[in-house]
Amino acid sequence: GDSVTQMEGPVTLSEEAFLTINCTYTATGYPSLFWYVQYPGEGLQLLLKATKADDKGSNKGFEATYRKETTSFHLEKGSVQVSDSAVYFCALSNTGGSYIPTFGRGTSLIVHP
Amino acid sequence: EAEVAQSPRYKITEKSQAVAFWCDPISGHATLYWYRQILGQGPELLVQFQDESVVDDSQLPKDRFSAERLKGVDSTLKIQPAELGDSAMYLCASSLDGLGAGELFFGEGSRLTVL
Repeated sequence: GDSVTQMEGPVTLSEEAFLTINCTYTATGYPSLFWYVQYPGEGLQLLLKATKADDKGSNKGFEATYRKETTSFHLEKGSVQVSDSAVYFCALSNTGGSYIPTFGRGTSLIVHP
Repeated sequence: EAEVAQSPRYKITEKSQAVAFWCDPISGHATLYWYRQILGQGPELLVQFQDESVVDDSQLPKDRFSAERLKGVDSTLKIQPAELGDSAMYLCASSLDGLGAGELFFGEGSRLTVL
C-alpha cells in the first residue's frame, strides 16, 4: 500500500539556519504530495503541495520539489525562525488510486533564538 | 474564516465506558475524515465519508468504534467500550471533493485519555 517515510526528529536548529526535512514515498499511480504543519495546541494545516512530477510547492519561505525519480518531497527553508517550531507532516494522496490521504509520522522542529 | 469544529477538546474516561466525539466540517465540504493520532506518530485514517456514505472504514475497529454522518453534514465518532490503547488525539478533517489533490482542513482535535 501507499506509505510515507520521514526523517526522525527532533530537528534542533538555531535561528537563521538552513532546514531540510527528508520525505520519501511509496505509491502506485500518480500521487499528489503535501506538507502539513502542526503548531503547538493547534490542528494540522496545509503548508504546501505539489500535484505532479517536478512541481515545486512553496509557502512562507518553505519549498519542496516533487521528485518522481527519487520518490522524494524534501522540505527546505533557507533561514528558519523561532516561530517555525512545530511538527511537520509529509503526506500523499493517490489520485491514481483511492484518494485516501496518507501521512508520515511527523518531524518535530525546534528552533532556538 | 471557516473552520472545522470539534468537541470536546479533552475527554478523560475510564476503560469500558462509552465516549463520543462530534465534528462539524466546513460548510459545503462533501468529504469528511476521522483520523487517530497517537503521540509521536502521524494521523491514521479511521473512516472517510463522502456526503453521508462511508467511502472507507477498513481501519476502523468495528467491534468498538462506530461513525455516522446521517445528513451528510456533521459527524459523530463513538467508542464503546473504551480501552487503554484508545488514548490518542482524534482528528476530524474535511475537504471540498475528496478527489485527492485538494487540501484537507483539520479541526483542533479531541484528546482522549482512558484510565
